[in-house]
Amino acid sequence: EDKVVQSPLSLVVHEGDTVTLNCSYEVTNFRSLLWYKQEKKAPTFLFMLTSSGIEKKSGRLSSILDKKELFSILNITATQTGDSAVYLCAVILNTGNQFYFGTGTSLTVIP
Amino acid sequence: EPEVTQTPSHQVTQMGQEVILRCVPISNHLYFYWYRQILGQKVEFLVSFYNNEISEKSEIFDDQFSVERPDGSNFTLKIRSTKLEDSAMYFCASSGSWPYKTWENTIYFGEGSWLTVV
Repeated sequence: EDKVVQSPLSLVVHEGDTVTLNCSYEVTNFRSLLWYKQEKKAPTFLFMLTSSGIEKKSGRLSSILDKKELFSILNITATQTGDSAVYLCAVILNTGNQFYFGTGTSLTVIP
Repeated sequence: EPEVTQTPSHQVTQMGQEVILRCVPISNHLYFYWYRQILGQKVEFLVSFYNNEISEKSEIFDDQFSVERPDGSNFTLKIRSTKLEDSAMYFCASSGSWPYKTWENTIYFGEGSWLTVV
């Protein structure tokens, strides 16, 4: 069975800290990995990663994919309280159009 | 910015009743999805819909569930004979093109419909 695992499950940090969130996957016919941020309700898109080793960056957030070791990391530098959310990783396959989500990492940033 | 809209935002229903959750996907999108998230658990795929038919469904999506695109804009999820364990946030989503061909902006989610079965 295809699987997407995220770690840690939850994390509490102070403002200004840097965090690294992990997502590993065991799937067949991997196409892309996506990161989403879920605050109160709907997940909002952060990054899509298809090629290994190419870092995607948006402000204080960055992400990279390792297709050999089958994982991705999401880095957030200089965290702010507004970064508090659940961060979801999802994998999409070549063979279908559904997204497989991990359980998410709950990040809490305290002032 | 285009968005997926869902109604109702919250519904409370008695066990055994039928509910219909409504979604208006982004207007030029072709692919529509329903996902479910039980409180504290992960987002789970239910069904995808393309060209007026189901293209893929998960094990969760059994005969209790059905989807429909009754007109050019709405996409509905019907849950018959609701059970307590159907209580969850139901997300509708849409995307513009077949995910494994060229596409830019991935899947857009609606704000969700909280279903509470009592």
